[in-house]
Amino acid sequence: DSGVTQTPKHLITATGQRVTLRCSPRSGDLSVYWYQQSLDQGLQFLIQYYNGEERAKGNILERFSAQQFPDLHSELNLSSLELGDSALYFCASSVTRGANTGELFFGEGSRLTVL
Amino acid sequence: GENVEQHPSTLSVQEGDSAVIKCTYSDSASNYFPWYKQELGKRPQLIIDIRSNVGEKKDQRIAVTLNKTAKHFSLHITETQPEDSAVYFCAAITGFQKLVFGTGTRLLVSP
Repeated sequence: DSGVTQTPKHLITATGQRVTLRCSPRSGDLSVYWYQQSLDQGLQFLIQYYNGEERAKGNILERFSAQQFPDLHSELNLSSLELGDSALYFCASSVTRGANTGELFFGEGSRLTVL
Repeated sequence: GENVEQHPSTLSVQEGDSAVIKCTYSDSASNYFPWYKQELGKRPQLIIDIRSNVGEKKDQRIAVTLNKTAKHFSLHITETQPEDSAVYFCAAITGFQKLVFGTGTRLLVSP
């Protein structure tokens, strides 16, 4: 158990719909990262938050948005869903001290299926 | 931004052989290079990492080497075992910036 909690574990929805994925980081971790992993593909970086603020952005579509709340949990919102959005979405958290990023701890992922 | 290339994409070895996976990065300011192992259907987990002030690091059967001049780093697994079969990802990061992963190497260790 990494200490990072993601919900839901599985989600099936239709094209055009909107979903929200939730992530609770490990206790004490200030950084939250979101990654997308399509079938047999690598880990595509979407976005990073640090203590409530957006820190870095990757190849995140405009239809996607995220935020980190004061209690440090994070939500990834996916809207106007398309078939190609079907993927495993991972959240990870880390302790970031000074200029050094530490180990990322990944949640179990949320598997999104768009029909 | 950072770009990480990883090869080979697949690697098949016999149990007991060594396996080497190589990565190159583009940003000379990158200072942290972790390796993650992802078993089928599971989350990625850190197996070893190295920072830019170190040239080599070992942990039992696994080791990572870093060549800052050439901007490449490698994962070495000795005495491979069937349970080493998984997808391995390298990654690189600059300071607070995003952690960029390589495309992954599927390692298959045959008994």
